[in-house]
Amino acid sequence: KQEVTQIPAALSVPEGENLVLNCSFTDSAIYNLQWFRQDPGKGLTSLLLIQSSQREQTSGRLNASLDKSSGRSTLYIAASQPGDSATYLCAVNTGGFKTIFGAGTRLFVKA
Amino acid sequence: GAGVSQSPSNKVTEKGKDVELRCDPISGHTALYWYRQRLGQGLEFLIYFQGNSAPDKSGLPSDRFSAERTGESVSTLTIQRTQQEDSAVYLCASSAIGPADLHFGNGTRLTVT
Repeated sequence: KQEVTQIPAALSVPEGENLVLNCSFTDSAIYNLQWFRQDPGKGLTSLLLIQSSQREQTSGRLNASLDKSSGRSTLYIAASQPGDSATYLCAVNTGGFKTIFGAGTRLFVKA
Repeated sequence: GAGVSQSPSNKVTEKGKDVELRCDPISGHTALYWYRQRLGQGLEFLIYFQGNSAPDKSGLPSDRFSAERTGESVSTLTIQRTQQEDSAVYLCASSAIGPADLHFGNGTRLTVT
């Protein structure tokens, strides 16, 4: 059974810091991995999608890496801003219609 | 057009009452998903519709939960005889091309007192 774990559960950093959020999954046979952002009272917004054949994806100040063999992904946020404060969720898809989500990392960026 | 719309945004109900949660997907999206998110936890898959059919209902927590979709559009999630453990945010998502392209609504926050 695929399980997704995110560490840390919460993180508080001063504005301008670079930071890394971690995601691990138990079954390396994944189809793709996604990072989502969730603002309070809102749904999820997709940030980055990494296919199983890819090693990383970049979008602006965000970079996500994928190491399937070790069951790990990281989300790197450069030069963090208060507007980055949100919950970040990692999710894996094993090829079917079910996407397995981690519990998320709550990020707070202090101005 | 508009994104995924869910109603109500908040629902407070007494234990034992039935509730209906509604999801209006993006027009043309054939796939529709329901998830439950308990406080501090990840999203728990409940059910998936392809068109009006639900190939897999195994994620529904108990027989008090049911869902339907009509006209390849609106979906309703019904919880009968609500219990306090049903309190959570219920999220709906729709997709045109599969689970890598999920568009989420803002959810319904259900509180059972």
